[in-house]
Amino acid sequence: DAGVIQSPRHEVTEMGQEVTLRCKPISGHDYLFWYRQTMMRGLELLIYFNNNVPIDDSGMPEDRFSAKMPNASFSTLKIQPSEPRDSAVYFCASRPGTSGIGGELFFGEGSRLTVL
Amino acid sequence: GQQLNQSPQSMFIQEGEDVSMNCTSSSIFNTWLWYKQDPGEGPVLLIALYKAGELTSNGRLTAQFGITRKDSFLNISASIPSDVGIYFCAGPMDSNYQLIWGAGTKLIIKP
Repeated sequence: DAGVIQSPRHEVTEMGQEVTLRCKPISGHDYLFWYRQTMMRGLELLIYFNNNVPIDDSGMPEDRFSAKMPNASFSTLKIQPSEPRDSAVYFCASRPGTSGIGGELFFGEGSRLTVL
Repeated sequence: GQQLNQSPQSMFIQEGEDVSMNCTSSSIFNTWLWYKQDPGEGPVLLIALYKAGELTSNGRLTAQFGITRKDSFLNISASIPSDVGIYFCAGPMDSNYQLIWGAGTKLIIKP
């Protein structure tokens, strides 16, 4: 089975540009998570969805960040406008709803964003 | 709020050496998770612990859930080059599905 698929793997853009990161979770997984990883702050949860519905977006840093999950097999994380401090690796992860609290999260390979 | 303190921050070891790292919290956790992140990849679950005092092995890896439920340990025996990476501890926040993550222990094997 395919794992969590993220695109693009790498993105270099200029400050002020819109960035869209994409994620396809593992089929059948009810939960989808967007994380950001930086050297300074480690892994930070930005937002998570259950059955395509955003449950907690308190980790989204600013209004410039938005996330959607229009269906069970696709999610996007958008940054508009982007700033240099948004440079990070963004991970998408999914898990089945039946695995309970503390169950395994399956991560994608990440999207490395560089904002110049 | 809940926090996980992971140590050491990094380790430089010789191939074949045993490795120990730990994770502590001021709050009680009911589950401890250990993940490994290879360079350029996302974290992958190594071991999950669900019971205080539990000792669980996965090949050369052994993890323990502390009796106080405020700490956990991960040991790697006879390290090999593919063990390099960042090891994270994590635990679920209260009753929801969010995980709290430690800052990670970076393992580097000296040639």
